[in-house]
Amino acid sequence: DTEVTQTPKHLVMGMTNKKSLKCEQHMGHRAMYWYKQKAKKPPELMFVYSYEKLSINESVPSRFSPECPNSSLLNLHLHALQPEDSALYLCASSPQESSGNTIYFGEGSWLTVV
Amino acid sequence: DQQVKQNSPSLSVQEGRISILNCDYTNSMFDYFLWYKKYPAEGPTFLISISSIKDKNEDGRFTVFLNKSAKHLSLHIVPSQPGDSAVYFCASMDTGRRALTFGSGTRLQVQP
Repeated sequence: DTEVTQTPKHLVMGMTNKKSLKCEQHMGHRAMYWYKQKAKKPPELMFVYSYEKLSINESVPSRFSPECPNSSLLNLHLHALQPEDSALYLCASSPQESSGNTIYFGEGSWLTVV
Repeated sequence: DQQVKQNSPSLSVQEGRISILNCDYTNSMFDYFLWYKKYPAEGPTFLISISSIKDKNEDGRFTVFLNKSAKHLSLHIVPSQPGDSAVYFCASMDTGRRALTFGSGTRLQVQP
């Protein structure tokens, strides 16, 4: 089982809203990731959590706020987003953060900011 | 600076033939390479990987070849099937950054 579950699948929010994207995995993986993908572009790394601690922040604007409540859950809190933040947000996990570990992706959450 | 390059944005092959997707990289610190398949509106699905200590890895219809001296890897799909039609991303990982760097993707279309 290599399943990473993301909710919601689709989200439409206004620029003044506060919303959250959720991600869950039960594979015992200790590294979890948020990626962002715009149309016709490859996924771009946003954040990495390793053992529930933020390991990498790729200079993401503060209107995106990640949270890792436990080893199975990863949230991305959204506030005061801009229309250009509309994209597919991908959660992923891997057994460990180190190289040599395969990273498995969820189906993604489509975000539209209006 | 694009460290992982997929120079062919698209590829079309006939069903039953071989599909060869190519990927070049520039970072000599990369030591783990992966191929993902992606359908529209879905997340990338892991296909196959290879460590830098190997030059070939095979899994069913999928084989990945790594040429370290040329900093080149390729994915071979034999025989190609219409269900293989998707965008294929090459991705690399290095011991320092510990996160994936993706190529720009190649859209494969397998004609029945």
